[in-house]
Amino acid sequence: EPEVTQTPSHQVTQMGQEVILRCVPISNHLYFYWYRQILGQKVEFLVSFYNNEISEKSEIFDDQFSVERPDGSNFTLKIRSTKLEDSAMYFCASSETRDSYNEQFFGPGTRLTVL
Amino acid sequence: LAKTTQPISMDSYEGQEVNITCSHNNIATNDYITWYQQFPSQGPRFIIQGYKTKVTNEVASLFIPADRKSSTLSLPRVSLSDTAVYYCHNLSGNTPLVFGKGTRLSVIA
Repeated sequence: EPEVTQTPSHQVTQMGQEVILRCVPISNHLYFYWYRQILGQKVEFLVSFYNNEISEKSEIFDDQFSVERPDGSNFTLKIRSTKLEDSAMYFCASSETRDSYNEQFFGPGTRLTVL
Repeated sequence: LAKTTQPISMDSYEGQEVNITCSHNNIATNDYITWYQQFPSQGPRFIIQGYKTKVTNEVASLFIPADRKSSTLSLPRVSLSDTAVYYCHNLSGNTPLVFGKGTRLSVIA
């Protein structure tokens, strides 16, 4: 069964450093998403991406964040200057088409720890 | 963004049927109702979706009344491995999922 993969599984970084979280969505999917979940809190939407551009973004997704699809398979989330409050699980998701409704397939997540 | 209401937590014994109800007070005509499951330290996983009446798959059943203002996820004969947080949503197209706190189901042996 196809699945979304994410690397690394755990990233530890110093405050102020840049991090790049990587995701490989399911190959025939067209929509891509990033969500995050701070420990003990609810899952929060960050950004969605379609046709090589951002479709929607939340208030969390400020200028410190960016997304990119550098090639035909990877989808990345960059945090330019990490803050302590960026520590969270980051989930990538993908869905197939624009029709009616399509389930989102989530990856296993990257646990980001900012020290 | 669509907002739903569901119980914060539920407890059940193994082998029982569990029904979790969600309110979809501002559901739109084009919205589908979906449920996701999340285990600790894992990403959410799609369980089931429906538009109206009843949908059943190998994991669960979903009951949606005619007015679509609510939905009930039914898990038959739960086991310890069904202990998780369950989230309901209503949305259309590829709009982002809006997660509330979900319903934390604890299955007891």
